[in-house]
Amino acid sequence: SQKIEQNSEALNIQEGKTATLTCNYTNYSPAYLQWYRQDPGRGPVFLLLIRENEKEKRKERLKVTFDTTLKQSLFHITASQPADSATYLCALPTRALNNAGNMLTFGGGTRLMVKP
Amino acid sequence: NAGVTQTPKFQVLKTGQSMTLQCAQDMNHNSMYWYRQDPGMGLRLIYYSASEGTTDKGEVPNGYNVSRLNKREFSLRLESAAPSQTSVYFCASSDRPFGTEAFFGQGTRLTVV
Repeated sequence: SQKIEQNSEALNIQEGKTATLTCNYTNYSPAYLQWYRQDPGRGPVFLLLIRENEKEKRKERLKVTFDTTLKQSLFHITASQPADSATYLCALPTRALNNAGNMLTFGGGTRLMVKP
Repeated sequence: NAGVTQTPKFQVLKTGQSMTLQCAQDMNHNSMYWYRQDPGMGLRLIYYSASEGTTDKGEVPNGYNVSRLNKREFSLRLESAAPSQTSVYFCASSDRPFGTEAFFGQGTRLTVV
């Protein structure tokens, strides 16, 4: 099965700086990779999806890269704000026997703290 | 537009009791899922339903059963709760299989004493 590694230690950065979070995976190469944001006491919220043939994807202040050779995705938040403080999860499709359904395997998440 | 709605939000059970967690989505999605989230373990898939009328086991199905009642609703049942099932449970849904985002409910915090 797919194993996903995210830094379990919190990332503390100063407001205005760029936050970079890492997602490493083992085993098979996924067709795509997703990033979610989770606030305390809430369910994860989808942010970005990047496919295996895309090197980079952007959405406002967010940027995701996908390196299938390194088996790694980087998630960047530029000009970070205290409101960006949350836990960020990466997720990859789970290989199922019948290949049915959009099942996702999630990493443990990295908590980001942006200080004013 | 409610998205994915879970009930209840909080529940305390005694060991051996049973209960059903309810989930409904109003986005006409085909696939629905139940995850549990524990500190240090991340989200783990319990059961999923790729489409109405089908259900399959995920990573941690033992001690649970599910029912896909119709396209909107997917329930999770604990027949005989155990302290190891203390967790936060999330229901999610998605449209097409593969490559689409999942929408999550607010979660149910379950404590088994």
